[in-house]
Amino acid sequence: AQSVTQPDIHITVSEGASLELRCNYSYGATPYLFWYVQSPGQGLQLLLKYFSGDTLVQGIKGFEAEFKRSQSSFNLRKPSVHWSDAAEYFCAVGASHGNKLVFGAGTILRVKS
Amino acid sequence: EPEVTQTPSHQVTQMGQEVILRCVPISNHLYFYWYRQILGQKVEFLVSFYNNEISEKSEIFDDQFSVERPDGSNFTLKIRSTKLEDSAMYFCASSAGELAVYNEQFFGPGTRLTVL
Repeated sequence: AQSVTQPDIHITVSEGASLELRCNYSYGATPYLFWYVQSPGQGLQLLLKYFSGDTLVQGIKGFEAEFKRSQSSFNLRKPSVHWSDAAEYFCAVGASHGNKLVFGAGTILRVKS
Repeated sequence: EPEVTQTPSHQVTQMGQEVILRCVPISNHLYFYWYRQILGQKVEFLVSFYNNEISEKSEIFDDQFSVERPDGSNFTLKIRSTKLEDSAMYFCASSAGELAVYNEQFFGPGTRLTVL
C-alpha cells in the first residue's frame, strides 16, 4: 500500500533563507507525487506534481521539488522564503489508477522576520 | 476564480447524533471526494463519487457514513451516529476528471467536526 512520511512536523526559517521540506514515499510502482499547501482558513492548494519525465519539477509561488527514485524522496524546495509562505505543507502520492490521494501528516512552516 | 466551499466551518455535536457536512464543488467538475484529518494525524481519503455513485471508498467509510449529491450543486457527507473518534477536519474536493495525476483535485477549506 502507498504511504507518505514527512519527518518534520514543524520547521522555522528566517525570511529570505532557503527552504527544504522532506517527503519520503512508499509505493511499488512509479509514483505520482504531489505537494499541497494549506494557509489558515484556506483549502489545500496544489503547488506542483510529478508523474514522469524531468525529475526536477517547478511549481507555483517559486517552489520546486526533485524526485529521487533511489531515495524514495520528493523534497520541496524554495531558494528564498517569504513571510507569506508560512503555512502547512502536505506531500501526497497517487495511485496509477483511480483518484485517491494518500497524504503525509504535513509540515508546518513558520517564517521569522 | 472558482473554488470549493464547505459549510459549516465548525460543527459541534453530541455523540450519537447525526451530522451532515455540506460542500459545493466547482460547478463543471464531475468527481467529488471527502477526506478527513484527525488532529495531529494524516489527511485520509474517505470516499470518491462520480455519476451519482461511490467509485471508491476506504475502510474508514463504514455503514455510518453516506454521501449524496441531492441537487446539481451540493455534495454532502452524512455521519449517522457520531462517535468521539469522528472528531476531525473534513475536507471536500472536486476534480474535472478521474485520474489525480491529470486532474487537479481542488479542496475546500474544511469543516471542523467536534464530537462531545
